[in-house]
Amino acid sequence: GQQLNQSPQSMFIQEGEDVSMNCTSSSIFNTWLWYKQDPGEGPVLLIALYKAGELTSNGRLTAQFGITRKDSFLNISASIPSDVGIYFCAGRRTSGSRLTFGEGTQLTVNP
Amino acid sequence: GAVVSQHPSRVICKSGTSVKIECRSLDFQATTMFWYRQFPKQSLMLMATSNEGSKATYEQGVEKDKFLINHASLTLSTLTVTSAHPEDSSFYICSARSHAGVRHTDTQYFGPGTRLTVL
Repeated sequence: GQQLNQSPQSMFIQEGEDVSMNCTSSSIFNTWLWYKQDPGEGPVLLIALYKAGELTSNGRLTAQFGITRKDSFLNISASIPSDVGIYFCAGRRTSGSRLTFGEGTQLTVNP
Repeated sequence: GAVVSQHPSRVICKSGTSVKIECRSLDFQATTMFWYRQFPKQSLMLMATSNEGSKATYEQGVEKDKFLINHASLTLSTLTVTSAHPEDSSFYICSARSHAGVRHTDTQYFGPGTRLTVL
């Protein structure tokens, strides 16, 4: 079952606003991945994090691997309508183990 | 980023028939491929993990005789839904993980998904 707590579950924001979402776990992960899924499509990898404390950007997206290795956050700056979708965090405890997914954050951006 | 393709993207079939879904890693070799199932407004549920040249490992509650998985090469895995029933209707997504030595080792890339509707 799911062991990652992702929040918020949904967000409704205005275009141009910044967005922040996070995932927490009671267990330590050594890899954190953030994906975006559009309706009817598979998840697309946004950012991959491999080291505690790592802060990585991909355009307007920034994600961090928490120091405790039990959490990660994703920020989206200056949101635009095409940012709409479901964002999933995923973690892997050890190399080669399966991914554990969060429940997803549904983002709606109003023009 | 790495590319994973899936075919078909949509399939409608009659109850009792079998459906095969192909998953290919297009620009990297995938030692391990995964098959997920996703219901509306839910997260991805892992069905099975397959390693090239060996039998797939199925998650608890997933019938291996119903969902046949073949991982014949480092770039191709297939999922066959046998004797499909309406309750098998879902969105099936494959994923591939690059093997050691490749950029972004231990990163998983997903296919675009296959929407299966069983009438």
